[in-house]
Amino acid sequence: RKEVEQDPGPFNVPEGATVAFNCTYSNSASQSFFWYRQDCRKEPKLLMSVYSSGNEDGRFTAQLNRASQYISLLIRDSKLSDSATYLCVVLYDKVIFGPGTSLSVIP
Amino acid sequence: EAGVTQFPSHSVIEKGQTVTLRCDPISGHDNLYWYRRVMGKEIKFLLHFVKESKQDESGMPNNRFLAERTGGTYSTLKVQPAELEDSGVYFCASSQDRGAYGYTFGSGTRLTVV
Repeated sequence: RKEVEQDPGPFNVPEGATVAFNCTYSNSASQSFFWYRQDCRKEPKLLMSVYSSGNEDGRFTAQLNRASQYISLLIRDSKLSDSATYLCVVLYDKVIFGPGTSLSVIP
Repeated sequence: EAGVTQFPSHSVIEKGQTVTLRCDPISGHDNLYWYRRVMGKEIKFLLHFVKESKQDESGMPNNRFLAERTGGTYSTLKVQPAELEDSGVYFCASSQDRGAYGYTFGSGTRLTVV
Protein backbone atom coordinates (compact mmCIF):
# COMPACT_ATOMS: atom_id res chain seq x y z
CA ARG A 1 0.00 0.00 0.00
CA LYS A 2 1.27 3.48 -0.89
CA GLU A 3 1.95 5.87 1.95
CA VAL A 4 -0.27 8.56 0.45
CA GLU A 5 -3.07 7.74 -1.97
CA GLN A 6 -5.31 10.05 -3.95
CA ASP A 7 -8.23 9.84 -6.35
CA PRO A 8 -6.77 8.64 -9.64
CA GLY A 9 -8.48 11.27 -11.79
CA PRO A 10 -8.41 13.04 -14.12
CA PHE A 11 -11.29 15.29 -13.16
CA ASN A 12 -12.90 17.26 -15.97
CA VAL A 13 -15.43 19.77 -14.70
CA PRO A 14 -17.23 22.81 -16.16
CA GLU A 15 -16.47 26.30 -14.93
CA GLY A 16 -18.39 27.10 -11.79
CA ALA A 17 -18.58 23.49 -10.62
CA THR A 18 -17.62 22.29 -7.17
CA VAL A 19 -14.99 19.59 -7.09
CA ALA A 20 -13.65 17.50 -4.21
CA PHE A 21 -10.34 15.71 -3.94
CA ASN A 22 -9.75 12.90 -1.50
CA CYS A 23 -6.55 11.63 0.03
CA THR A 24 -5.66 8.92 2.53
CA TYR A 25 -2.38 8.34 4.33
CA SER A 26 -1.05 5.24 6.02
CA ASN A 27 1.19 6.57 8.79
CA SER A 28 -0.83 7.51 11.85
CA ALA A 29 2.20 9.40 13.23
CA SER A 30 1.98 11.96 10.43
CA GLN A 31 2.22 15.44 11.81
CA SER A 32 1.44 17.96 9.10
CA PHE A 33 -0.66 17.93 6.00
CA PHE A 34 -0.75 20.07 2.91
CA TRP A 35 -2.27 20.48 -0.49
CA TYR A 36 0.12 21.53 -3.22
CA ARG A 37 -0.72 22.54 -6.74
CA GLN A 38 1.49 21.72 -9.70
CA ASP A 39 1.00 23.24 -13.11
CA CYS A 40 2.26 21.42 -16.17
CA ARG A 41 6.08 21.43 -16.27
CA LYS A 42 6.26 23.66 -13.20
CA GLU A 43 7.32 23.12 -9.61
CA PRO A 44 4.81 22.22 -6.87
CA LYS A 45 3.48 25.25 -5.03
CA LEU A 46 1.92 25.24 -1.61
CA LEU A 47 -1.82 25.78 -1.89
CA MET A 48 -2.75 25.43 1.76
CA SER A 49 -1.92 23.65 4.95
CA VAL A 50 -4.59 21.39 6.41
CA TYR A 51 -5.55 21.72 10.06
CA SER A 52 -7.53 19.38 12.26
CA SER A 53 -10.30 21.92 12.68
CA GLY A 54 -10.58 22.36 8.92
CA ASN A 55 -9.64 25.55 7.17
CA GLU A 56 -10.84 27.70 4.34
CA ASP A 57 -9.08 30.06 1.98
CA GLY A 58 -11.46 31.76 -0.40
CA ARG A 59 -12.95 29.12 -2.68
CA PHE A 60 -10.78 26.38 -1.17
CA THR A 61 -11.69 24.32 1.89
CA ALA A 62 -9.45 21.66 3.41
CA GLN A 63 -10.48 19.04 5.94
CA LEU A 64 -8.52 16.54 7.99
CA ASN A 65 -9.86 13.48 9.75
CA ARG A 66 -7.03 11.99 11.81
CA ALA A 67 -9.10 9.02 12.99
CA SER A 68 -9.76 7.96 9.41
CA GLN A 69 -6.38 9.22 8.14
CA TYR A 70 -8.20 11.13 5.47
CA ILE A 71 -7.71 14.58 3.94
CA SER A 72 -9.93 16.42 1.52
CA LEU A 73 -9.83 19.54 -0.61
CA LEU A 74 -12.98 21.21 -1.89
CA ILE A 75 -12.86 23.80 -4.65
CA ARG A 76 -16.02 25.85 -5.14
CA ASP A 77 -16.92 27.88 -8.23
CA SER A 78 -14.11 26.36 -10.31
CA LYS A 79 -12.15 28.71 -12.57
CA LEU A 80 -10.22 27.87 -15.72
CA SER A 81 -7.08 28.85 -13.83
CA ASP A 82 -7.70 26.06 -11.30
CA SER A 83 -6.66 23.51 -13.92
CA ALA A 84 -3.59 21.77 -12.51
CA THR A 85 -2.50 18.66 -10.64
CA TYR A 86 -3.36 18.71 -6.94
CA LEU A 87 -0.90 16.93 -4.69
CA CYS A 88 -1.72 15.68 -1.21
CA VAL A 89 1.39 15.95 0.96
CA VAL A 90 2.01 14.45 4.38
CA LEU A 91 4.87 15.09 6.80
CA TYR A 92 6.14 12.74 9.48
CA ASP A 93 9.90 12.49 9.52
CA LYS A 94 9.98 13.54 5.88
CA VAL A 95 7.56 14.88 3.35
CA ILE A 96 5.69 12.27 1.33
CA PHE A 97 3.85 13.23 -1.82
CA GLY A 98 0.75 11.58 -3.14
CA PRO A 99 0.60 10.77 -6.85
CA GLY A 100 -1.61 13.78 -7.56
CA THR A 101 -5.02 14.23 -9.14
CA SER A 102 -5.31 16.14 -12.37
CA LEU A 103 -8.07 18.73 -12.72
CA SER A 104 -9.21 20.29 -15.98
CA VAL A 105 -11.79 23.06 -15.75
CA ILE A 106 -13.61 23.37 -19.04
CA PRO A 107 -15.26 26.57 -20.36
CA GLU B 1 12.84 37.58 -1.33
CA ALA B 2 14.57 35.42 -3.94
CA GLY B 3 13.09 31.97 -4.23
CA VAL B 4 14.79 28.62 -4.54
CA THR B 5 16.81 28.57 -7.72
CA GLN B 6 18.02 25.54 -9.60
CA PHE B 7 20.52 25.19 -12.40
CA PRO B 8 20.43 24.05 -15.11
CA SER B 9 16.76 24.04 -16.00
CA HIS B 10 17.32 21.30 -18.55
CA SER B 11 20.12 18.85 -19.16
CA VAL B 12 20.45 16.19 -21.84
CA ILE B 13 23.37 13.83 -21.39
CA GLU B 14 24.43 10.46 -22.69
CA LYS B 15 24.34 7.33 -20.62
CA GLY B 16 27.58 7.02 -18.69
CA GLN B 17 28.26 10.72 -18.47
CA THR B 18 28.28 12.83 -15.33
CA VAL B 19 25.85 15.62 -14.50
CA THR B 20 25.85 18.01 -11.59
CA LEU B 21 22.70 19.81 -10.54
CA ARG B 22 22.79 22.86 -8.34
CA CYS B 23 20.30 24.30 -5.90
CA ASP B 24 20.42 27.65 -4.15
CA PRO B 25 17.91 27.69 -1.30
CA ILE B 26 16.20 30.74 0.10
CA SER B 27 18.72 32.67 2.15
CA GLY B 28 18.56 31.67 5.81
CA HIS B 29 16.82 28.37 5.20
CA ASP B 30 18.78 25.70 7.03
CA ASN B 31 16.72 22.83 5.61
CA LEU B 32 17.30 21.81 2.02
CA TYR B 33 15.69 18.87 0.29
CA TRP B 34 16.11 17.08 -2.99
CA TYR B 35 13.18 15.34 -4.66
CA ARG B 36 12.77 13.58 -7.96
CA ARG B 37 9.84 12.86 -10.24
CA VAL B 38 10.33 10.24 -12.90
CA MET B 39 7.81 9.92 -15.73
CA GLY B 40 4.41 8.73 -14.55
CA LYS B 41 5.44 8.41 -10.92
CA GLU B 42 4.90 10.52 -7.84
CA ILE B 43 7.47 12.93 -6.48
CA LYS B 44 9.93 10.98 -4.35
CA PHE B 45 12.14 12.19 -1.53
CA LEU B 46 15.89 11.83 -2.09
CA LEU B 47 17.57 13.51 0.84
CA HIS B 48 17.47 16.26 3.44
CA PHE B 49 20.23 18.59 4.61
CA VAL B 50 20.20 20.60 7.79
CA LYS B 51 22.83 23.21 7.13
CA GLU B 52 25.78 21.21 5.77
CA SER B 53 24.83 17.91 7.41
CA LYS B 54 22.88 15.12 5.74
CA GLN B 55 19.92 14.58 8.02
CA ASP B 56 18.29 11.85 5.98
CA GLU B 57 19.52 10.32 2.75
CA SER B 58 17.27 7.30 2.78
CA GLY B 59 15.75 8.19 -0.58
CA MET B 60 18.97 8.22 -2.56
CA PRO B 61 18.54 5.48 -5.17
CA ASN B 62 22.12 4.19 -5.24
CA ASN B 63 25.75 5.21 -4.90
CA ARG B 64 25.79 6.84 -8.32
CA PHE B 65 24.12 9.80 -6.63
CA LEU B 66 26.17 12.14 -4.46
CA ALA B 67 24.80 15.24 -2.77
CA GLU B 68 26.82 17.90 -1.03
CA ARG B 69 26.13 21.13 0.74
CA THR B 70 29.48 22.58 1.64
CA GLY B 71 29.21 25.57 3.94
CA GLY B 72 25.52 25.02 4.40
CA THR B 73 24.51 27.29 1.54
CA TYR B 74 23.93 25.92 -1.95
CA SER B 75 23.78 22.21 -2.68
CA THR B 76 24.87 20.05 -5.57
CA LEU B 77 23.56 16.68 -6.67
CA LYS B 78 25.92 14.72 -8.88
CA VAL B 79 24.93 11.68 -10.89
CA GLN B 80 27.90 9.62 -12.02
CA PRO B 81 27.64 7.65 -14.23
CA ALA B 82 24.14 8.51 -15.40
CA GLU B 83 21.75 5.75 -16.46
CA LEU B 84 18.60 5.93 -18.58
CA GLU B 85 16.35 5.44 -15.54
CA ASP B 86 17.78 8.58 -13.94
CA SER B 87 15.77 10.71 -16.36
CA GLY B 88 13.18 12.86 -14.64
CA VAL B 89 12.68 16.19 -12.98
CA TYR B 90 14.83 16.92 -9.94
CA PHE B 91 13.33 19.41 -7.53
CA CYS B 92 15.04 21.18 -4.70
CA ALA B 93 13.11 22.70 -1.82
CA SER B 94 14.03 24.64 1.27
CA SER B 95 12.37 25.56 4.53
CA GLN B 96 13.25 27.49 7.62
CA ASP B 97 11.87 24.85 9.95
CA ARG B 98 11.40 21.11 9.42
CA GLY B 99 8.60 21.68 6.95
CA ALA B 100 5.68 22.10 9.30
CA TYR B 101 4.62 25.13 7.26
CA GLY B 102 5.38 23.67 3.87
CA TYR B 103 8.34 23.97 1.58
CA THR B 104 9.28 26.34 -1.21
CA PHE B 105 10.31 24.48 -4.32
CA GLY B 106 12.66 25.46 -7.07
CA SER B 107 11.50 25.19 -10.66
CA GLY B 108 13.38 21.93 -11.09
CA THR B 109 15.99 20.50 -13.42
CA ARG B 110 14.67 18.30 -16.19
CA LEU B 111 17.28 15.62 -16.78
CA THR B 112 17.17 13.45 -19.85
CA VAL B 113 19.65 10.61 -20.20
CA VAL B 114 19.87 9.22 -23.72
